[in-house]
Amino acid sequence: ETGVTQSPTHLIKTRGQQVTLRCSSQSGHNTVSWYQQALGQGPQFIFQYYREEENGRGNFPPRFSGLQFPNYSSELNVNALELDDSALYLCASSLADTSLNTEAFFGQGTRLTVV
Amino acid sequence: DQQVKQNSPSLSVQEGRISILNCDYTNSMFDYFLWYKKYPAEGPTFLISISSIKDKNEDGRFTVFLNKSAKHLSLHIVPSQPGDSAVYFCAARPTSSNTGKLIFGQGTTLQVKP
Repeated sequence: ETGVTQSPTHLIKTRGQQVTLRCSSQSGHNTVSWYQQALGQGPQFIFQYYREEENGRGNFPPRFSGLQFPNYSSELNVNALELDDSALYLCASSLADTSLNTEAFFGQGTRLTVV
Repeated sequence: DQQVKQNSPSLSVQEGRISILNCDYTNSMFDYFLWYKKYPAEGPTFLISISSIKDKNEDGRFTVFLNKSAKHLSLHIVPSQPGDSAVYFCAARPTSSNTGKLIFGQGTTLQVKP
């Protein structure tokens, strides 16, 4: 059991709306990353947060934003939703220490459908 | 620009036989490679990893091989079991990352037939 939990599991939104997805990281992990997985594709890195600050970003527009809280939980916010934002959104937590080569643990994801 | 590629979308093998899943990468600046398994309606689950300074890592039925000169890695599952049927993703970590950022391939769907 990974200990990473995401909410909600499913969500339907209308184009132009805003959405907030939530993630609780695994105990002891201080880094949270968010990924978007479109149908038939591998997860694409959106951004990661470390010590409550964005610390690395993929090729996603500014309307994708996030937060990390002191307890290391995180939110992903998407403004002005577009149809192409429909995807599975995955949160992953890890420990920011490259010497340990620790893997990222994923939550079950939030399935977002934009209509 | 797909830096990590899994060119076989699907693979079907008989129970008890070997499954070989392949992955190619184009960027030399990766220091760590991982394989994840994903069942429907679940998040990816870590399977096995390998550091770029090694060429083989084994964990039970799972072995990952890394050929740096060819920029190729493979996952061997021996013997394959029906419960191994899932989507398998290879992922690579950029050297500059502090573990959070991973670059994933497109995935290979493995079907193990009883």
